[in-house]
Amino acid sequence: DQQVKQNSPSLSVQEGRISILNCDYTNSMFDYFLWYKKYPAEGPTFLISISSIKDKNEDGRFTVFLNKSAKHLSLHIVPSQPGDSAVYFCAASALGGSNYKLTFGKGTLLTVNP
Amino acid sequence: GEEVAQTPKHLVRGEGQKAKLYCAPIKGHSYVFWYQQVLKNEFKFLISFQNENVFDETGMPKERFSAKCLPNSPCSLEIQATKLEDSAVYFCASSRDRGQPQHFGDGTRLSIL
Repeated sequence: DQQVKQNSPSLSVQEGRISILNCDYTNSMFDYFLWYKKYPAEGPTFLISISSIKDKNEDGRFTVFLNKSAKHLSLHIVPSQPGDSAVYFCAASALGGSNYKLTFGKGTLLTVNP
Repeated sequence: GEEVAQTPKHLVRGEGQKAKLYCAPIKGHSYVFWYQQVLKNEFKFLISFQNENVFDETGMPKERFSAKCLPNSPCSLEIQATKLEDSAVYFCASSRDRGQPQHFGDGTRLSIL
């Protein structure tokens, strides 16, 4: 039973345009959400997080939106750059239940074309 | 240090041998987590520590897997009597506190032959 789903295995975007990566979850206990970027042969790199008490968090070119009623979050990257090309993972945890482990989606491969 | 340091980068063992992986968390971080990436994009949680105490071991196959985080030493994950199915990349992560992001090392690729 996959509790965090990233339904798009891949996404291709032109440099300078917006990239939108989507993530859905099923576990209503999740209250803390994170996005990671991963290059081959490296560990996931933390990008941005959001707590369930918020619906938006911004950090530079990265914005995460959370829609709790739909159990959906998205990561917006604008403007997209070729160096953003990587696999992006959505992850969630249930801090309120003292459950700090991360549950990951299967990732979306983003390709930003020059 | 400022990064999670995992050693070795690659470890090769014959089936039935022991494997031991190490992780130095970021200085000042209280929580350490181990994850197993078997298929390319699937992460499985194994165990977490709060300082040197086991916090959550619900993901550990207890028969052959063990882990420790002792004071003033790197954390370790040990697999006894390895099986082919243990071949995976093992990631360690640390966080400053609950509710803080987990920061990952670059992983140890374990190959069981």
